[in-house]
Amino acid sequence: NAGVTQTPKFQVLKTGQSMTLQCAQDMNHNSMYWYRQDPGMGLRLIYYSASEGTTDKGEVPNGYNVSRLNKREFSLRLESAAPSQTSVYFCASSYDRYEQYFGPGTRLTVT
Amino acid sequence: AQSVTQLDSHVSVSEGTPVLLRCNYSSSYSPSLFWYVQHPNKGLQLLLKYTSAATLVKGINGFEAEFKKSETSFHLTKPSAHMSDAAEYFCVVTRNAGGTSYGKLTFGQGTILTVHP
Repeated sequence: NAGVTQTPKFQVLKTGQSMTLQCAQDMNHNSMYWYRQDPGMGLRLIYYSASEGTTDKGEVPNGYNVSRLNKREFSLRLESAAPSQTSVYFCASSYDRYEQYFGPGTRLTVT
Repeated sequence: AQSVTQLDSHVSVSEGTPVLLRCNYSSSYSPSLFWYVQHPNKGLQLLLKYTSAATLVKGINGFEAEFKKSETSFHLTKPSAHMSDAAEYFCVVTRNAGGTSYGKLTFGQGTILTVHP
């Protein structure tokens, strides 16, 4: 039982490049989330998926897109990376609306 | 609307002494509150949660928190700090039931706990 896994762990992009962050969970959770963590700001919700087939914007969705591929997988895409998107990205999942389980994070640097 | 304020960005204690991490919240609805811990270069782990049952909540590793509605606070305490407690701690609020804010957690800014030998 791996919990929530994320790939890659580290990534460096140049401004304007695109990439997809992958997230998978093996806990049969209905809901999945993408957050970004910046120093002194806690975690901010980018997008979430309450159930398979649905996605919704969170607090900071601009510059990102998501795909809920199936119940297990929820990907985050940066179409044209900008330096302001340098951050640590966390994926999380939950069975109900309360307790969320977090992955180990992806450290992204955009130069 | 909801928000969380963690009153201290850094707390430093000696091993074996009590820990107090302070959190105030604001919510238009009946809240659920959580404390998460993040060790360096790791993901977040749930320490404890309040979801409208007992106001004194016990969590893992000897931590506990008390929900005080009159003070809109949810402070985290531990009687005796251990070196392994050194980490960043996040207070989190969400809506307790109903509405469109499904699963939307609002995080505080974090408190870094340092434990000295």
